[in-house]
Amino acid sequence: AQSVTQLDSHVSVSEGTPVLLRCNYSSSYSPSLFWYVQHPNKGLQLLLKYTSAATLVKGINGFEAEFKKSETSFHLTKPSAHMSDAAEYFCVVSDLSGTYKYIFGTGTRLKVLA
Amino acid sequence: EAGVAQSPRYKIIEKRQSVAFWCNPISGHATLYWYQQILGQGPKLLIQFQNNGVVDDSQLPKDRFSAERLKGVDSTLKIQPAKLEDSAVYLCASSLELAGGDEQFFGPGTRLTVL
Repeated sequence: AQSVTQLDSHVSVSEGTPVLLRCNYSSSYSPSLFWYVQHPNKGLQLLLKYTSAATLVKGINGFEAEFKKSETSFHLTKPSAHMSDAAEYFCVVSDLSGTYKYIFGTGTRLKVLA
Repeated sequence: EAGVAQSPRYKIIEKRQSVAFWCNPISGHATLYWYQQILGQGPKLLIQFQNNGVVDDSQLPKDRFSAERLKGVDSTLKIQPAKLEDSAVYLCASSLELAGGDEQFFGPGTRLTVL
């Protein structure tokens, strides 16, 4: 069965410093992996996705993630944080056993300090 | 392109009452999902439709929750009777196809408070 673990429930960074949000997954199949962002009182928005093409995936707003099969990780990074990046971030693995359903991590709340 | 629409945005009810949520997916999207997001947790899939057929409802509490997707477009999710632990945000999402790697588009959610 697929599962995903977000290693930090809260991350605080200063504006202009790098962001690292960590995600490990478990999957019996070659997975599809996603990062979504949720701003307060707004819907979930896709940042980026990995679907067995390039292992380094670039997304919107300067975010990127690297798929590392040997480490079963899919960490999200950004070189320089902006105040607008403050939000909840979810790592998601897609179940490829037939229904393709999403399995969400518990989320990481990113705080950006001025 | 219009996004996924949900209504109402907020609902407050007493326990044991019933409530219904409505979702209109993106036009042309065959797959529709209902999620429950409890405060501090990630969304949990309740039910998944492909057109008007159910693909997965393994985590739907069928004694009190029901959902339908008539004509393969709009969908309603009902809770009857509600319990305190049903307080959550209910998210609707849709995707073009049922396929691995397919992006799901989410609506703004309905925040349910059960008193």
